[in-house]
Amino acid sequence: GAVVSQHPSRVICKSGTSVKIECRSLDFQATTMFWYRQFPKQSLMLMATSNEGSKATYEQGVEKDKFLINHASLTLSTLTVTSAHPEDSSFYICSARGPSGSPTDTQYFGPGTRLTVL
Amino acid sequence: QKEVEQNSGPLSVPEGAIASLNCTYSDRGSQSFFWYRQYSGKSPELIMSIYSNGDKEDGRFTAQLNKASQYVSLLIRDSQPSDSATYLCAVSISGYSTLTFGKGTMLLVSP
Repeated sequence: GAVVSQHPSRVICKSGTSVKIECRSLDFQATTMFWYRQFPKQSLMLMATSNEGSKATYEQGVEKDKFLINHASLTLSTLTVTSAHPEDSSFYICSARGPSGSPTDTQYFGPGTRLTVL
Repeated sequence: QKEVEQNSGPLSVPEGAIASLNCTYSDRGSQSFFWYRQYSGKSPELIMSIYSNGDKEDGRFTAQLNKASQYVSLLIRDSQPSDSATYLCAVSISGYSTLTFGKGTMLLVSP
């Protein structure tokens, strides 16, 4: 149980284009999902907290107009990187709060999406 | 500001030895503690969680928590080369708060 998927696993795009990343909880409902970014040899940096049916909460320094988050259902959250630039190239990872019955602060991670902007 | 500190390593141990990974945290109000394993190029995988002072064992893994000292550790017995990865310590204040991650300790287990 508690499986989280992400799609795509890898994407290469041209500078100025937008990229959408999907995060799905496969076998449980996730009212809260999280989006992280990780640069090489650095730790996870929380970008935003995504709650189903409401606006995402962004961490300080994260541009909400550039990183659009939509949590439209209990099993799907999407992150859209708008007008991507080379400095947005990174490993983007989502996580979901565990299923009902598990400790509420346990997070299960998706496999990540590696974005390369040319 | 909440901080979670880990030695970046690498921590090198021979196969079969015990690997000891340590983590300290700054917020005394922290309630939940997690260890994640992250292989190079992959996302984190939950290994263990611990909420009360003392030891918690799961197979070859033992998590130890000392809230008075604001210290949490992970012991890996009979270390295997497949345990070579970066181990992330994460801390949460309450059941619905976000996790604060340390920068991770790289573990290298040599055959």
